Amino acid sequence: DQQVKQNSPSLSVQEGRISILNCDYTNSMFDYFLWYKKYPAEGPTFLISISSIKDKNEDGRFTVFLNKSAKHLSLHIVPSQPGDSAVYFCAAGSFLSGNTPLVFGKGTRLSVIA
Amino acid sequence: DTGVSQDPRHKITKRGQNVTFRCDPISEHNRLYWYRQTLGQGPEFLTYFQNEAQLEKSRLLSDRFSAERPKGSFSTLEIQRTEQGDSAMYLCASSPLVNTGELFFGEGSRLTVL
Repeated sequence: DQQVKQNSPSLSVQEGRISILNCDYTNSMFDYFLWYKKYPAEGPTFLISISSIKDKNEDGRFTVFLNKSAKHLSLHIVPSQPGDSAVYFCAAGSFLSGNTPLVFGKGTRLSVIA
Repeated sequence: DTGVSQDPRHKITKRGQNVTFRCDPISEHNRLYWYRQTLGQGPEFLTYFQNEAQLEKSRLLSDRFSAERPKGSFSTLEIQRTEQGDSAMYLCASSPLVNTGELFFGEGSRLTVL
């Protein structure tokens, strides 16, 4: 039973264009969501997060959008750069349930082509 | 370096042997988490500690897996009688008690069981 789903295993984007990574969740108790980035042979590193009281959070080239009614979030990277090539994980947790451990999706491998 | 430190980074062992991984969290972080990541999957939660108390261990994969955090500082994850299916990346993460939900990951310990 996957509570956090990333249905696209991979995505290829031209440098300078927008990258859109998608994530769906099933557990209505989730009230915060995070995106992590992972390079090979390294641990995941935090990228950006959003609380369920917001529908958008922006940090430089990265924007996360949350659609609670659809239980869907997306990460937009614009403009995409070759250094953005990595695996991106969507994760979700619940403060209301006592700050439960994060649940991760399977990841989307982004390739930004120069 | 004040990040999460894991040791060893790589471990190759024969089936049936016991292995132990160590994690040193960020010093002021109360919570420490263990995750496992296999190829093509996202990090899968195993167990976590708040100081020395193990708050959740039902997700440990079998009774061959055990974790400790005896003094509320570093933690160890032990796998007894390893099997080939235990081959994976074992990730440790830490967080402060009151936080935004973000986990700070180490670089992981890769286990190969022959």
